[in-house]
Amino acid sequence: TQLLEQSPQFLSIQEGENLTVYCNSSSVFSSLQWYRQEPGEGPVLLVTVVTGGEVKKLKRLTFQFGDARKDSSLHITAAQPGDTGLYLCAGLSSNSGYALNFGKGTSLLVTP
Amino acid sequence: DSGVTQTPKHLITATGQRVTLRCSPRSGDLSVYWYQQSLDQGLQFLIQYYNGEERAKGNILERFSAQQFPDLHSELNLSSLELGDSALYFCASSSGTANTEAFFGQGTRLTVV
Repeated sequence: TQLLEQSPQFLSIQEGENLTVYCNSSSVFSSLQWYRQEPGEGPVLLVTVVTGGEVKKLKRLTFQFGDARKDSSLHITAAQPGDTGLYLCAGLSSNSGYALNFGKGTSLLVTP
Repeated sequence: DSGVTQTPKHLITATGQRVTLRCSPRSGDLSVYWYQQSLDQGLQFLIQYYNGEERAKGNILERFSAQQFPDLHSELNLSSLELGDSALYFCASSSGTANTEAFFGQGTRLTVV
């Protein structure tokens, strides 16, 4: 199992602030996905990054895949209370049959 | 609605018992994954099936087993249950190919008393 470390584990910020969460591994991945999970629900895919150095934007969310395809970051600009949730990264590798192995997640709370 | 159906939604059972969790994947998806989520361990990958065959195995205990049937639905069997098995169990499905999106069900909350 390829280990994914996410940081920080918890983050509590006020509406309007910017934040960055990180996903790191010593393993190389074919691709990396970010999911968001709300209480009582299953995770929902936000983005898939495939190419080393790739940057993808989804409204106020910016995702970057590291050049070596071992790490990724998620930056949120001007956070809103609706961004509150658990952010999970998952690495995919042909070595593991493309099974999704998740990090423990970053729990984000955005207060008005 | 992700298209993945898990039953039951809640399950309360006693230690030592055996339970079966069921998952119907999204139409057209060949791959099914099972995950266990607890507060301290996060979302732990248990096992993956692709078109009826086991494809990848994660941190699945020997007391747990799973299978995927010809109609592609899957069952996760948990036996000799312990208090520590209390958790949310998620099923997800995907096409099983590279970089594909996984769609998650709403989970089964298992409480062992």
